[in-house]
Amino acid sequence: GNSVTQMEGPVTLSEEAFLTINCTYTATGYPSLFWYVQYPGEGLQLLLKATKADDKGSNKGFEATYRKETTSFHLEKGSVQVSDSAVYFCALGGGHTDKLIFGTGTRLQVFP
Amino acid sequence: GAVVSQHPSRVICKSGTSVKIECRSLDFQATTMFWYRQFPKKSLMLMATSNEGSKATYEQGVEKDKFLINHASLTLSTLTVTSAHPEDSSFYICSARIDRGTGELFFGEGSRLTVL
Repeated sequence: GNSVTQMEGPVTLSEEAFLTINCTYTATGYPSLFWYVQYPGEGLQLLLKATKADDKGSNKGFEATYRKETTSFHLEKGSVQVSDSAVYFCALGGGHTDKLIFGTGTRLQVFP
Repeated sequence: GAVVSQHPSRVICKSGTSVKIECRSLDFQATTMFWYRQFPKKSLMLMATSNEGSKATYEQGVEKDKFLINHASLTLSTLTVTSAHPEDSSFYICSARIDRGTGELFFGEGSRLTVL
């Protein structure tokens, strides 16, 4: 079945450091891939998405490329800020799945 | 972008009472909404899929009689936690699907339920 695997957190970084949060998936068909972000005490917000292989989603300095050959959708940011501290969820949907399937989430903590 | 609103954002109730949480799509019609429960340390659990005008589809292990879901209109789904107990205390999040092709969801702000 379809599934999403994220790296365990928490990820702790200093401000302006480079961020990578790994996400790999297994899926049948041609799913879309998403990164959602959850700030403390809030619901989830869509951060970026990619709907087909080789697409790159980007938003607020974050990027992720849909790589079919490695079944990955790693999240990157060149220089993190304290305000980026949140929980990040990788997800897949569409294709043959009727539901959005989430990874377990990765907590990012950025210190000044 | 599309907006999904939940109410209340926080609720505290006594054990044995029932609590209703509303989820509204504010600027679009949502034929399908999803209810999630989030446990401590962040993991999201899909509870049920709410379809307008029909019965909700519950995930395995979720008690239908305990978590009543009603999707009476294209803009409103409700989750009622019946006879709540302290173990039902959690963060409940609703979402609405806007694009069946990609599966993209818009989420509400979440509702924190505390059962005393």
